[in-house]
Amino acid sequence: DAGVTQSPTHLIKTRGQQVTLRCSPKSGHDTVSWYQQALGQGPQFIFQYYEEEERQRGNFPDRFSGHQFPNYSSELNVNALLLGDSALYLCASSPGTRNSPLHFGNGTRLTVT
Amino acid sequence: KNQVEQSPQSLIILEGKNCTLQCNYTVSPFSNLRWYKQDTGRGPVSLTIMTFSENTKSNGRYTATLDADTKQSSLHITASQLSDSASYICVVSDYGGSQGNLIFGKGTKLSVKP
Repeated sequence: DAGVTQSPTHLIKTRGQQVTLRCSPKSGHDTVSWYQQALGQGPQFIFQYYEEEERQRGNFPDRFSGHQFPNYSSELNVNALLLGDSALYLCASSPGTRNSPLHFGNGTRLTVT
Repeated sequence: KNQVEQSPQSLIILEGKNCTLQCNYTVSPFSNLRWYKQDTGRGPVSLTIMTFSENTKSNGRYTATLDADTKQSSLHITASQLSDSASYICVVSDYGGSQGNLIFGKGTKLSVKP
C-alpha cells in the first residue's frame, strides 16, 4: 500500500520563477493538505483540498495556489518565487475525519537562489 | 492566540536512557493532540492522537500523556535507541473548519548517542 508520494524530491529555482509541486495521497484518502517547513521550524499550513475545492487556507499570499484532481492527487503552485520561499514543502493526506492522523510524504526540498 | 510551545528545544541522551518531552498549548476549543516523529529530511510520522477524554496513550516505547485541565502533554521515550534520534513535533487541533485547524509546535530535536 503506497503511502503519500511527492515529486520532485529536490528542486532549485531562481527568484521570480514559478514552480509546481505534485502529491499523490495515500490510497483511500480524499483530503490533501500542503505545508511549508522552514529549517528548524514546525510545518506551517498552506491550504487543504477536498473534492477538488480549496476548503481551508492558512496565512499565505495568493502567489501560493493549488489544485486537486478527480483522483485526489494535488499540485501546489508558487509564482514569483522569493528567496524566503526556500523550504521543505510537505503534502499530507487523510480520510477527512476530525480525529484521523495525517499521513505525510517526504516532501520536496525547494531552494530559491 | 492559539499556540503550541515545546520544551526543551533540543536534547542529547545516551542510548538506553529514558527521556520526556514537554508540550504546552493554549489552543481553544481543544479537539485533539498529536505527537509526530520527523527524521531528518523525511516527513513527520504519527505516533499518537489523544482526544479530550484520553489521558495516556502508548505506541511501543513511546507513551504520551495529556492533562487537558493544565493544557499540558508529555511524550516519554523508554529505553532509547539510536533510531529515536529525530525531531518530535506536538500538534494540537481545535474545532475550526470542517476537520479542525492544526497548530504545530516547533519540535524538540532529540539526539541519542551510543
